[in-house]
Amino acid sequence: KQEVTQIPAALSVPEGENLVLNCSFTDSAIYNLQWFRQDPGKGLTSLLLIQSSQREQTSGRLNASLDKSSGRSTLYIAASQPGDSATYLCAVRRGFDNQGGKLIFGQGTELSVKP
Amino acid sequence: DVKVTQSSRYLVKRTGEKVFLECVQDMDHENMFWYRQDPGLGLRLIYFSYDVKMKEKGDIPEGYSVSREKKERFSLILESASTNQTSMYLCASSLALTGELFFGEGSRLTVL
Repeated sequence: KQEVTQIPAALSVPEGENLVLNCSFTDSAIYNLQWFRQDPGKGLTSLLLIQSSQREQTSGRLNASLDKSSGRSTLYIAASQPGDSATYLCAVRRGFDNQGGKLIFGQGTELSVKP
Repeated sequence: DVKVTQSSRYLVKRTGEKVFLECVQDMDHENMFWYRQDPGLGLRLIYFSYDVKMKEKGDIPEGYSVSREKKERFSLILESASTNQTSMYLCASSLALTGELFFGEGSRLTVL
C-alpha cells in the first residue's frame, strides 16, 4: 500500500531564505507526482507536476525533483517571501489507469515565512 | 486556465437534511473527484468519476452518493446529513492522460 510522508510537519524561516520541503513515498511504481499549495480555508492550487519519466520541473522560484528509486521528491523554494506562507502538499498517482488514477496525499508541511 | 467551480463556499444545514454540493469544470476533463478534508486526517477520497454516468467509490463513500449526468458537472449528495459530515469538501478534475489534478475553492459544510 502506497504511503506518502512529508517531514517536517511545520517549518518557519526568515524571509529571503532558500528552503527545501521533503516528500517520501513507499512504492516507487508511480505514474506522476504533484505538488500543491493550500492557503487557510481555501482549495489546493497545483504548483508542479512531475511525470515518472522526468527528474525535475521548474516554475519561477520553485523547483521540484523526483528520485523514484529512493522514493523521494523535494520542492525547492528560492528566496522565500511572506506570501509563500501556506501548507504544501505532495501527492503521488499510483500508476496509470483509465479509471481515475487516484492520488495518494501526504499530510503536508505548513510553511511560515517571517518578514 | 482550468477552472473548477464549487457552487457554495459555506453551508449550514441541520441533521437529517438532504444536501447537494455542486461542482463544474470548464476544461473538458474526463475525471472528477470529491474529497473531504479534516484536521489531522488529511484529504480523503469520497467518490470519483471517469466518465458521464460512471462512478467509483473512494475510501470513505458511506453516507454519500454522487451524480454525473454531464461531463462538466459532478454533484455530491448527502442523503441525510449528520454532524460527523461537518467538513471541508473539495472537488477536483483531471485529464485522464496527464493526471494533473485541479481543485475548486472548497465548500465548508457545517451540520448542526
